[in-house]
Amino acid sequence: TQLLEQSPQFLSIQEGENLTVYCNSSSVFSSLQWYRQEPGEGPVLLVTVVTGGEVKKLKRLTFQFGDARKDSSLHITAAQPGDTGLYLCAVPGAGNMLTFGGGTRLMVKP
Amino acid sequence: EPEVTQTPSHQVTQMGQEVILRCVPISNHLYFYWYRQILGQKVEFLVSFYNNEISEKSEIFDDQFSVERPDGSNFTLKIRSTKLEDSAMYFCASSEGRGGLYEQYFGPGTRLTVT
Repeated sequence: TQLLEQSPQFLSIQEGENLTVYCNSSSVFSSLQWYRQEPGEGPVLLVTVVTGGEVKKLKRLTFQFGDARKDSSLHITAAQPGDTGLYLCAVPGAGNMLTFGGGTRLMVKP
Repeated sequence: EPEVTQTPSHQVTQMGQEVILRCVPISNHLYFYWYRQILGQKVEFLVSFYNNEISEKSEIFDDQFSVERPDGSNFTLKIRSTKLEDSAMYFCASSEGRGGLYEQYFGPGTRLTVT
């Protein structure tokens, strides 16, 4: 059983469209982080959500932490080709270790 | 903006050889980590390090692996006798302090190819 399930695994959309990707679990977490990773590079931290129901915005990206702190979503408005990448959610555990989901690979076509 | 740096960017080695991957964490950070990502797979935790000792390690981090902070700036991962299955991207990360938001900042990675 995967600790974090991300869906969809792959998403290909046209520039200007909106999209939502999900990170789900049956476990409750103290916090959850979203990262973006481009090919051949390390994950780049986008946001940390802490409080159940919390919503954070980063330009065209909106992150929400579920009320029960078991899941999270990332919504992108008016996607651009520069948004292309692998979006990862991650949760902390013992020794500050992060457990990552499998990611959603997003491609935005011009 | 401070960043984590890693060297080399790409390392090719023969099976059975020792490799050392190097990282310079962000200067005021206290926690250091190694992760790996096999091509097409998830980012996997290897080890966390604080106050000159290992805090946590995964099942992957067996006796072939070791970490060291040889001076005030470098953090290294050594693989004593590499195997084909060690081929992966290895990422170093660092975070500021205990507890809080566990926000980790990753380096660009070292691509290790074992032949």
